[in-house]
Amino acid sequence: NAGVTQTPKFRVLKTGQSMTLLCAQDMNHEYMYWYRQDPGMGLRLIHYSVGEGTTAKGEVPDGYNVSRLKKQNFLLGLESAAPSQTSVYFCASSIGTGVQETQYFGPGTRLLVL
Amino acid sequence: GQQVMQIPQYQHVQEGEDFTTYCNSSTTLSNIQWYKQRPGGHPVFLIQLVKSGEVKKQKRLTFQFGEAKKNSSLHITATQTTDVGTYFCAYSNYQLIWGAGTKLIIKP
Repeated sequence: NAGVTQTPKFRVLKTGQSMTLLCAQDMNHEYMYWYRQDPGMGLRLIHYSVGEGTTAKGEVPDGYNVSRLKKQNFLLGLESAAPSQTSVYFCASSIGTGVQETQYFGPGTRLLVL
Repeated sequence: GQQVMQIPQYQHVQEGEDFTTYCNSSTTLSNIQWYKQRPGGHPVFLIQLVKSGEVKKQKRLTFQFGEAKKNSSLHITATQTTDVGTYFCAYSNYQLIWGAGTKLIIKP
């Protein structure tokens, strides 16, 4: 089992460019999450999904869109990148909520917006 | 919104000294989870506590959940270089609510 994988691992964008980050999990988890982590900071939830075809906003959703067309994949889109979106992006998945909300993280995508 | 306060933000220790990080909430928590993030890495689940007064050990790591289920602690005995990283607490409230983390730094 690969667990949670993320592509790409690193990307440099110019302001205004768009890109999509891909997260894939092979654990048959219902819940998936996208976080951003700025240097020296904690995790902030961008969007999450409680199942295929569903998405919901987290703490910092502005400037991002997501889609969950397949249970195993969760896509994060930046339509018009801004320097403030320079960060490390982590995807995570879990079986459910409550005591089943142990989250398994991917290795992260390091994004630099110039 | 609901928060969990984690202190200290940083802790510098000599190798072999102990380390403790604390998580505090103003409301009763259903459960508390602890994660470790190595420098340049991703958060990795360590443990989950559910019961009032629960204590769990993993080798040199001791995790406690307060009697009132409003606070938790992680204590590392005799730190080693492999312990370096940031330790996060988090609790489940439909989403995971994360503490800001405590960074363990070993003095050279």
